[in-house]
Amino acid sequence: DVKVTQSSRYLVKRTGEKVFLECVQDMDHENMFWYRQDPGLGLRLIYFSYDVKMKEKGDIPEGYSVSREKKERFSLILESASTNQTSMYLCASSETGTGDSYEQYFGPGTRLTVT
Amino acid sequence: AQKVTQAQTEISVVEKEDVTLDCVYETRDTTYYLFWYKQPPSGELVFLIRRNSFDEQNEISGRYSWNFQKSTSSFNFTITASQVVDSAVYFCALSEAPIMDSNYQLIWGAGTKLIIKP
Repeated sequence: DVKVTQSSRYLVKRTGEKVFLECVQDMDHENMFWYRQDPGLGLRLIYFSYDVKMKEKGDIPEGYSVSREKKERFSLILESASTNQTSMYLCASSETGTGDSYEQYFGPGTRLTVT
Repeated sequence: AQKVTQAQTEISVVEKEDVTLDCVYETRDTTYYLFWYKQPPSGELVFLIRRNSFDEQNEISGRYSWNFQKSTSSFNFTITASQVVDSAVYFCALSEAPIMDSNYQLIWGAGTKLIIKP
């Protein structure tokens, strides 16, 4: 079974802090994704990565950055946390294939509260 | 433009009833993929099914079935004899065939909250 793990289920940070959210997958997937999920807004893609050191902006990258130094690990960084970044953060991974799109497997999520 | 519409925001049924969740999509591509995910109260999104645009056969998996109709751009999900454990938010998603390594995004519907009452 695919396993995607996230470093914390719940996190409380103060405004202005630098926040790291870590995600690890064990299925050798090339693609990894970070989403945030807010009531009424559904899932919104923040960033994704299709290879080590490669990244692409999603729909809402402002205020976030990412790092992918190893294939299995994809980190989301909030450079200076703000209260409007209070949300559920979901990490996902998927395999890649020429011309095919594969399902994404999700971690349990991190509920981040910024006070 | 790509779009996924799940018009039903919330559905509430009594246990053992059958229930259908609607998903309508828009895409200009001839090759695309459709997905359904379940998000139970615990929060973790669980993959249910992936279907490509060339396979219009209906799929049945236990009490779950999916009806893919290209003529109406719909990919509906039916739960037969619903159970309380089916209570969750269900998401439909669309992906066009990636032509570049950097193009594996999913377009998500807003989700349908399904409540199964005992």
